[in-house]
Amino acid sequence: NAGVTQTPKFRILKIGQSMTLQCTQDMNHNYMYWYRQDPGMGLKLIYYSVGAGITDKGEVPNGYNVSRSTTEDFPLRLELAAPSQTSVYFCASSQDLSGANVLTFGAGSRLTVL
Amino acid sequence: GQNIDQPTEMTATEGAIVQINCTYQTSGFNGLFWYQQHAGEAPTFLSYNVLDGLEEKGRFSSFLSRSKGYSYLLLKELQMKDSASYLCAVVDSNYQLIWGAGTKLIIKP
Repeated sequence: NAGVTQTPKFRILKIGQSMTLQCTQDMNHNYMYWYRQDPGMGLKLIYYSVGAGITDKGEVPNGYNVSRSTTEDFPLRLELAAPSQTSVYFCASSQDLSGANVLTFGAGSRLTVL
Repeated sequence: GQNIDQPTEMTATEGAIVQINCTYQTSGFNGLFWYQQHAGEAPTFLSYNVLDGLEEKGRFSSFLSRSKGYSYLLLKELQMKDSASYLCAVVDSNYQLIWGAGTKLIIKP
C-alpha cells in the first residue's frame, strides 16, 4: 500500500516555464488536496477535489491549475512559473470531509523557480 | 481573520517533558489536529480533539479548551527522534483546515 505518491521530488524551473506535479493515491479516497509550504508559514491550500470531475479553489490558487479525471490522480499544473512559486508542495488525500478528517500526505515536491 | 499561533521554536532535553501550545481564532470550530513533521518529510497525524479535555496516546497527549481557544501537545520521556516540527491545525465552520506555522522542537542530549 503506497499511500500518496508525488513526483518529482525536486525540480528547478526557469521563470516562464510550465510543469506538472503528479499525485496518485491508492487508498480510494474521495478527497484530494494540494498544499504549499513556505518557511515560517502554515500550509496553504491551493486546490482541492471532492471526487473525480470536481475541483475547487483553495486559499492561494493563482498561477495553478488542477484536474481530477480519476479518483486516484490529482495533478497540479504550474503555468508560467514565477519565483513566488518557489516552495515545497504537498499532495494529500482523505476519506471524507468531516471534522475528524485525517490527511495522508505525499512525501513532497521541492520546486525552485530561478 | 483566522489565526493560529504557536511558538516558533522550543528546546528540551532528552528524557524530559515538553508542552507545545497552540491558540486559535477561527470562524467556527470543528476540531483541532496535531501533526508531526520531520525535516524534509511529510506531516503525519498525531492527534485530533473536538471535545474539551485531555486525550492520551502513549507518550503524547493533547489537550483542548474550546472556550479559551487553546490546545497543547504534551510530549513525555522525550527521545532524540522527537526532534521535529509540530503543526497545529483547526477545522473551521466550512470544514477547511487552518494551519499554524508549526513549532520546531529541538531535543538535546
